[in-house]
Amino acid sequence: GQQVMQIPQYQHVQEGEDFTTYCNSSTTLSNIQWYKQRPGGHPVFLIQLVKSGEVKKQKRLTFQFGEAKKNSSLHITATQTTDVGTYFCAENTNAGKSTFGDGTTLTVKP
Amino acid sequence: NAGVTQTPKFQVLKTGQSMTLQCAQDMNHEYMSWYRQDPGMGLRLIHYSVGAGITDQGEVPNGYNVSRSTTEDFPLRLLSAAPSQTSVYFCASSYGTHQPQHFGDGTRLSIL
Repeated sequence: GQQVMQIPQYQHVQEGEDFTTYCNSSTTLSNIQWYKQRPGGHPVFLIQLVKSGEVKKQKRLTFQFGEAKKNSSLHITATQTTDVGTYFCAENTNAGKSTFGDGTTLTVKP
Repeated sequence: NAGVTQTPKFQVLKTGQSMTLQCAQDMNHEYMSWYRQDPGMGLRLIHYSVGAGITDQGEVPNGYNVSRSTTEDFPLRLLSAAPSQTSVYFCASSYGTHQPQHFGDGTRLSIL
């Protein structure tokens, strides 16, 4: 079945450094959703990308969808301790079925 | 609005016992899903529903049953609990296809 691969699995940064997580698929994705899960919490929706080459920004977060719709990235500029958590990408298909990547866990050292 | 409510929050079972994890949403969402999350891993889809009376299998359906008799409720039944089913279970709902999913707080289930 459809697999969404996410790298890296873990990322440790110093506060103020940038962070990027990547999501890759061998087949064309219908869309890509990004979620954040704080330690001990539940996933919370961040954003959805649908169009080829789409770029969206939320304050220090920049989301991109590849031209071929086979990859996506989330970039955080100047990380803060509040950015700690696990970031997941997911494809939500027309059938209502979602496939999640394994996530990238971000730790931030103050 | 309460959003997505899952009960119980914690449960310990013995191998072979059965139980039902409850999930209810008050947002009139058509789509509901159950996921399990094992340590250090992503969310794996167990079963999902696109409306009352309609359910389908996800990636890891074995050992679990679901039904959707109303729009609001989507219970998950463990038929005969096994230690491999120790996990955190999340229920999620969404308005429709290609819409954000709203997650409950999860049920932390341990099977001894």
